[in-house]
Amino acid sequence: AQRVTQPEKLLSVFKGAPVELKCNYSYSGSPELFWYVQYSRQRLQLLLRHISRESIKGFTADLNKGETSFHLKKPFAQEEDSAMYYCALRGIQGAQKLVFGQGTRLTINP
Amino acid sequence: GAVVSQHPSWVICKSGTSVKIECRSLDFQATTMFWYRQFPKQSLMLMATSNEGSKATYEQGVEKDKFLINHASLTLSTLTVTSAHPEDSSFYICSAASRPGLPKGGSYNEQFFGPGTRLTVL
Repeated sequence: AQRVTQPEKLLSVFKGAPVELKCNYSYSGSPELFWYVQYSRQRLQLLLRHISRESIKGFTADLNKGETSFHLKKPFAQEEDSAMYYCALRGIQGAQKLVFGQGTRLTINP
Repeated sequence: GAVVSQHPSWVICKSGTSVKIECRSLDFQATTMFWYRQFPKQSLMLMATSNEGSKATYEQGVEKDKFLINHASLTLSTLTVTSAHPEDSSFYICSAASRPGLPKGGSYNEQFFGPGTRLTVL
């Protein structure tokens, strides 16, 4: 079964501090992993995907197949990073559907 | 990026009535659309996957006769909540994806999300 776990519902850090949002997954094959972000009063939007291996808005995420993790990191948090973050998984073999984690609300304190 | 709209953005209805929610891809053709449900402070739960011109595929536990999905064109999918009851009150979100191009690496096209529809059943 496909499952995505985000252990932290809430995460609060100070501006300029490093931030890490945890994501663990369960999937029998080789999945695609994504991070989506939802800013206040806005729609869900793609932040980054593991295939791209790129940094978006200073965020990076590395797929660790051994630990089945896809943690989202940023070395220096900014106030505009405050948002709801969802980790999501898509099975390569299956349909295009996404399985979402429970989400982590990140708050950056000034 | 591609834009997906939903209409209405919020709706209040009486118990027992039916409500239709529209999802439109404004600047691209969506061969596949997805309908999600989100309860307060919870994650998005996929309800069904809809492919243009064919029947929707419902997730386990979702009543297909309760939540009617139609994807008649490449830019429009509708979700009808039939005989709505207070427990159907929720935030309904659609997403749209174009035909997967399967470039090297097997990556599928991105899903673009609508702003959501808040349904309140009295």
